[in-house]
Order: sequence, then C-alpha cells, then structure tokens
Amino acid sequence: GDSVTQMEGPVTLSEEAFLTINCTYTATGYPSLFWYVQYPGEGLQLLLKATKADDKGSNKGFEATYRKETTSFHLEKGSVQVSDSAVYFCALVVNTGNMLTFGGGTRLMVKP
Amino acid sequence: NAGVTQTPKFQVLKTGQSMTLQCAQDMNHNSMYWYRQDPGMGLRLIYYSASEGTTDKGEVPNGYNVSRLNKREFSLRLESAAPSQTSVYFCASSEKPPGQGFTGELFFGEGSRLTVL
Repeated sequence: GDSVTQMEGPVTLSEEAFLTINCTYTATGYPSLFWYVQYPGEGLQLLLKATKADDKGSNKGFEATYRKETTSFHLEKGSVQVSDSAVYFCALVVNTGNMLTFGGGTRLMVKP
Repeated sequence: NAGVTQTPKFQVLKTGQSMTLQCAQDMNHNSMYWYRQDPGMGLRLIYYSASEGTTDKGEVPNGYNVSRLNKREFSLRLESAAPSQTSVYFCASSEKPPGQGFTGELFFGEGSRLTVL
C-alpha cells in the first residue's frame, strides 16, 4: 500500500536557521505530494503541493521539490521564525480516487 | 469566514458513556471526513462521506458511527466510549470526493480533544 515516512521530531532550531524536514514515500501509482502544517491549537492546513516529478511547491518561504528518482519530498526553509513552530505533515494521494495518506508528523520548535 | 466548525472542543467521558461530536462546514463542500490524531501515529481516517446521503468506513471505524445529516453537517458518535478512544478528533471537508476530482486539499476544523477515563 501507500505510505509516507517522515523524520521523527522534535526538530529544535534557533531563529534564522535553515530547516530541512525529510519525507520519503512509497506509492502504488503516480502520486501528488503535499505538506500540511498544524499550528498549536489549530487544525491542519495545506502549506504547499506538487503534482508531478521535478515540480517545486512553495508558500510562505517554504519549498519542497518532487523527486521521483529518490521518492522524496523534503521540506526546506532558508530562515525559520518563531512563528513557524508547528507540526508538519507530509502526505500523498495516488490519483484522484484515493484518500490522502499522511506521514506521522514532525514537530518543529524555533527558539528566539 | 468560519470554514469547518467542531463542537465540543474538549470532553471528558467515563468508560461506557456515549457522546456525539458535531461538525459543520460552510464552504458548500461535497465531502466530509473524520480523523483521529494520536501521538506518533499521524492522522487516521475513521469514516468519510463522499456526498450527502453516503458514508463509508475508513482505516479505524470500530467503535464509531457517523451521520451525514445534510450537506453541511457530519457527526461522529461514540456509543460506548473506551480509554483507547482517547484522542484528538478532526473533522475535515473537501470540495470534491475521491474519484470525482479530489485535489488532495482538505480543510480541517480546530479539533476536539476527548479523554476517556
């Protein structure tokens, strides 16, 4: 079946540090890939997505590139802020007939 | 601009008690979902409703029932709560159902934290 594996957290960084959260996947078909973010006390919200190989999704300074050859979709940000502290979920959907499959989530804590 | 609204936000139950979690969306979405979130296990789908009048089991349906009351509302019921159902529950919606143009974007409520003693 389909699955998503994320690095375990928490990831603790100082403000302005570079962020990478790793995400790899296995899929039975050709997936679309997503990053969702969950801020404290809130529900998840879509951060960015990519629908085909080599696509780069970006939003709020975050980026992730769809790498088919390594089955990865790593999330990056050049300079994190305290307000980026949240839990980040990688997810995939294989064609539009299936449900989203979520990874386990990675908690990011950014210290001033 | 409410989006997806869940009630209650917090609830404590004793083993064997029943309760219903309510969810409503004001985006005219066709599909609605109930997930549970547990530490280290990400989100797991309990039930979903592709469209008004239909419901289907997800990954972990045992111990739960759902009702799609109308296009806006989708409730989750625990008939006899167990400690294993202690979790944070999220309702979500999507414009289109899986298999009919689902883009992968879900809109989530703020969650309902349930503790079963």
